[in-house]
Amino acid sequence: SAVISQKPSRDICQRGTSLTIQCQVDSQVTMMFWYRQQPGQSLTLIATANQGSEATYESGFVIDKFPISRPNLTFSTLTVSNMSPEDSSIYLCSVVVSRSTGNTIYFGEGSWLTVV
Amino acid sequence: SQKIEQNSEALNIQEGKTATLTCNYTNYSPAYLQWYRQDPGRGPVFLLLIRENEKEKRKERLKVTFDTTLKQSLFHITASQPADSATYLCALGSSASKIIFGSGTRLSIRP
Repeated sequence: SAVISQKPSRDICQRGTSLTIQCQVDSQVTMMFWYRQQPGQSLTLIATANQGSEATYESGFVIDKFPISRPNLTFSTLTVSNMSPEDSSIYLCSVVVSRSTGNTIYFGEGSWLTVV
Repeated sequence: SQKIEQNSEALNIQEGKTATLTCNYTNYSPAYLQWYRQDPGRGPVFLLLIRENEKEKRKERLKVTFDTTLKQSLFHITASQPADSATYLCALGSSASKIIFGSGTRLSIRP
């Protein structure tokens, strides 16, 4: 398993500002993932954060809006830029632990952002 | 396109009964299927994984079945308790690292 710490856990943000979410893992992992979960919705993958290279973004998400850093194998940040109320969501950091039986995702506790 | 449907948005049952949640999928051939529990404002927590060649998996009061012909998984909680109240997410994975999630079923167990 993996223990993932995220901060902030919760924040209220002003429209037009940016906020950086930090994610720390207790072991070295190759790939880290950032998800968004809007109220009442399923989890949506934003991007895959690879150490030493640029993040890979999913359709509908762009680097200018969600810049990601991955300075080492245990840490990543996601910035939500120029926020609007539509960005109010839980943002989740996750890692994949591979076993012979399949890949299991472990999630952080999430960062609940409310944009006003 | 790939689609995952969980039987209902919300399910309410009496304490002590068995809760059964359904996950159906289309246009996908997963290598494995997973169930997660998510409490309000928290990240999902992994519960069980079942592979495509497995019919059933158990863990304490939890049981998962996987029918690749019907493209369906059933998730059972026996002797349900109010502490089991949460949203339960179904997720499908292939041999790649990408996993897709259902929107979840909110389960409420009333005393």
